[in-house]
Amino acid sequence: DAGITQSPRHKVTETGTPVTLRCHQTENHRYMYWYRQDPGHGLRLIHYSYGVKDTDKGEVSDGYSVSRSKTEDFLLTLESATSSQTSVYFCAISDTVGGQPQHFGDGTRLSIL
Amino acid sequence: GQNIDQPTEMTATEGAIVQINCTYQTSGFNGLFWYQQHAGEAPTFLSYNVLDGLEEKGRFSSFLSRSKGYSYLLLKELQMKDSASYLCAVINNAGNMLTFGGGTRLMVKP
Repeated sequence: DAGITQSPRHKVTETGTPVTLRCHQTENHRYMYWYRQDPGHGLRLIHYSYGVKDTDKGEVSDGYSVSRSKTEDFLLTLESATSSQTSVYFCAISDTVGGQPQHFGDGTRLSIL
Repeated sequence: GQNIDQPTEMTATEGAIVQINCTYQTSGFNGLFWYQQHAGEAPTFLSYNVLDGLEEKGRFSSFLSRSKGYSYLLLKELQMKDSASYLCAVINNAGNMLTFGGGTRLMVKP
């Protein structure tokens, strides 16, 4: 299995608080992605990174920011969490783009009360 | 825009064959992936199709018709452990963004 670790695995927090989720990989893959998964919507891309300090927006980027200061770490930040951001968040990595499959971490279940 | 449709749920019997369909209308296309996701777990890669035709991998096969915007995943000799969600995803022309369908939850009954 691809070496991807997400932390924390579960988090409960209150509306208006900042939250940071971490994705750590040991595969030295160039590309990293953050998705959220909600019933009825499937997986939706929030942000992705194509290298250190190189990031771009996905389909549902509003309310989220990301940073990648090292190849192995990709951070997702909710600046001021809202209840609509309650979801399961998955990190994924890939070595190249195109036909190379993305490999997913185990997910972070985030509840915002 | 991107639009990917799959049935929400399907039920099949252990030992049988099931076909899960996926139709897509996307502004760009550079291939189609199928993933399996057990409840509470991460999606895992099953197959990738970029050319028309059938790709077989053990009990699982995946078919693509680019002209019809259509793919299916065929599962043979169903086992109870095949109960999971199956996600269809299309990758864009640049190859850097995957768009997922809502997933098909397959329940395998004895």
